[in-house]
Order: sequence, then structure tokens, then C-alpha cells
Amino acid sequence: GQQLNQSPQSMFIQEGEDVSMNCTSSSIFNTWLWYKQDPGEGPVLLIALYKAGELTSNGRLTAQFGITRKDSFLNISASIPSDVGIYFCAGNTGTASKLTFGTGTRLQVTL
Amino acid sequence: GAVVSQHPSRVICKSGTSVKIECRSLDFQATTMFWYRQFPKKSLMLMATSNEGSKATYEQGVEKDKFLINHASLTLSTLTVTSAHPEDSSFYICSAKGLAGGREQFFGPGTRLTVL
Repeated sequence: GQQLNQSPQSMFIQEGEDVSMNCTSSSIFNTWLWYKQDPGEGPVLLIALYKAGELTSNGRLTAQFGITRKDSFLNISASIPSDVGIYFCAGNTGTASKLTFGTGTRLQVTL
Repeated sequence: GAVVSQHPSRVICKSGTSVKIECRSLDFQATTMFWYRQFPKKSLMLMATSNEGSKATYEQGVEKDKFLINHASLTLSTLTVTSAHPEDSSFYICSAKGLAGGREQFFGPGTRLTVL
């Protein structure tokens, strides 16, 4: 099935640094979602974006729905050790509830 | 609110046996549930969409006779992996979408299946 491309694939950062990751698609999506998955767990929703151009924050996290509706980014400010995990973007075309997941960005935070 | 549970969390079975995985929405009614599988270090891939009281819709390449889905009530969907083989070993995750027309899907904690 179709997948969304995420970059970077993985990143190692120091505690306190800011993080930026993005997600791109060749198709238009009507909804963009960002999830975090810890090892052996299901994904947990971080931010949901429903309108092109929308910029939404959730604590230290900020995400934007690209104007073209083909991309989205997620920023994490002042990273902390518990930010470690895999971050997935997911898109919904709106014609159904089906989500297409991105390839994931693995984040490691060093002290 | 919006809690989804899965049972069992881990299961090990012999090749050729069938395994049933349950997905429950604990504090809301879910008209639609989704089943995903995830291989190690890979993304989630949608297997099928399950609607209460009707047949599941399977994604291309997913064998409906191998992965039986039943959504008998608004709070329970089951996935049965029939005649399991080692290549079916994976992490199976369900999600549920509420009755109230909300757009969000809430994910379960996943079930780790290992077929020997």
C-alpha cells in the first residue's frame, strides 16, 4: 500500500535540543496526524491537523499542515529523555477513515 | 477516555494453529475498528476495516480467509489468524473510531504474535 515518506529516518540528539521532522506525500491528504510509538506499544496521538496551513501546538510539540496538503512537519522543542521513541505521521484522504502511515522517524535523546 | 484494549498482549503458538486477538473499546462505542500489522522496525500497514454488523473490508493483498475479522458489537472486534505460520509472526494493532462522528482513531496497545 501507499506510504508517506518521513525524514530523517533516525536522529540522535542531545537533551535540550530542538527536533524537526517532516512527512511528504505524492497525494493530497485532508487530515494529517502525528503519533508517537514506544517499543511494544500502540501509537499515541500527539497532534491532529485538519486544515491546510494549520499550525497547532501541544506543549513542546508543534506541527503544521502544509499548504499543498502534501506535507507536514513536526517540531519538538527542548527535547527530554522521554521523547525517545518512533514518530509516525499519518494521513487521511477524507473519503474514508483509513489512515496511511509514514515510514517513521526514530528519535534517540542523549543526556 | 477513549481507551482501547487488546487481548492477549503476547501469544506464542505452534505452526498450523489458529489464534484469536480481541480488540475492545472500553469507554466508547466504536462503529469502525481497524486492524494493522507491524513488522520489526517498520511502519503500520492497514490490513482491514471492520464495521459493526457487516463484513470487513480487506486491503489489497490481505487474505480474508486467513485473517478472519468479526465485529459483533460496538465495543468488540476480533481478528483470528487461521493456520498460522512463522511468517505471520508480527505485531498486530487495532484502532477504533467512535460513534459520535469524531475523526480520531484510538489505538490499542498491540498484540505480539510469535508462531514457532
